[in-house]
Amino acid sequence: AQSVSQHNHHVILSEAASLELGCNYSYGGTVNLFWYVQYPGQHLQLLLKYFSGDPLVKGIKGFEAEFIKSKFSFNLRKPSVQWSDTAEYFCAVGTYNQGGKLIFGQGTELSVKP
Amino acid sequence: ETGVTQSPTHLIKTRGQQVTLRCSSQSGHNTVSWYQQALGQGPQFIFQYYREEENGRGNFPPRFSGLQFPNYSSELNVNALELDDSALYLCASSFKGGGKNEQFFGPGTRLTVL
Repeated sequence: AQSVSQHNHHVILSEAASLELGCNYSYGGTVNLFWYVQYPGQHLQLLLKYFSGDPLVKGIKGFEAEFIKSKFSFNLRKPSVQWSDTAEYFCAVGTYNQGGKLIFGQGTELSVKP
Repeated sequence: ETGVTQSPTHLIKTRGQQVTLRCSSQSGHNTVSWYQQALGQGPQFIFQYYREEENGRGNFPPRFSGLQFPNYSSELNVNALELDDSALYLCASSFKGGGKNEQFFGPGTRLTVL
């Protein structure tokens, strides 16, 4: 069965530190890849997405992610975090043969200290 | 552009009861997916509706059922509620076509089963 694994359950950083959140998936076919963010008290919002083409994708608020097909990974990065980035981050994978189903990782809670 | 809306925001039920949750999809979208998000977990796919028919289902029992209406809005029904059904229920809408399953999420309905 397909699965998505996020390596870190809780990450604590100081403002201006660099961020990298790991995401690995298990599926051998073509995938669509997503990072969603859930700010405290708010609903899931799309940060960035990958369908095809350039494996380095840029999203909102200075976030980017790199798709490495050989490693089945789609890690999220940001060079310098802000206190307002405090949120829960979810990696999700969609596969063509699963219709519209998205498989989510368990989430990474990011706390940024001012 | 109107986003995805869900009602009610919160709901408290007792074991054995039945519940109906509602979702209005984003303008221009024709597909609705439902997810269950337990505390501290990523969303789990329940099922998806396209053209008023179920179009994929996750690992949930038959007491979880749904409907999609001609205006693309949707309902999630859960019969014989169990304590473990307590969770945030998320609705996501998308446009089916081209193999891209980018989904836009509503704020969710928080269901508590006592």
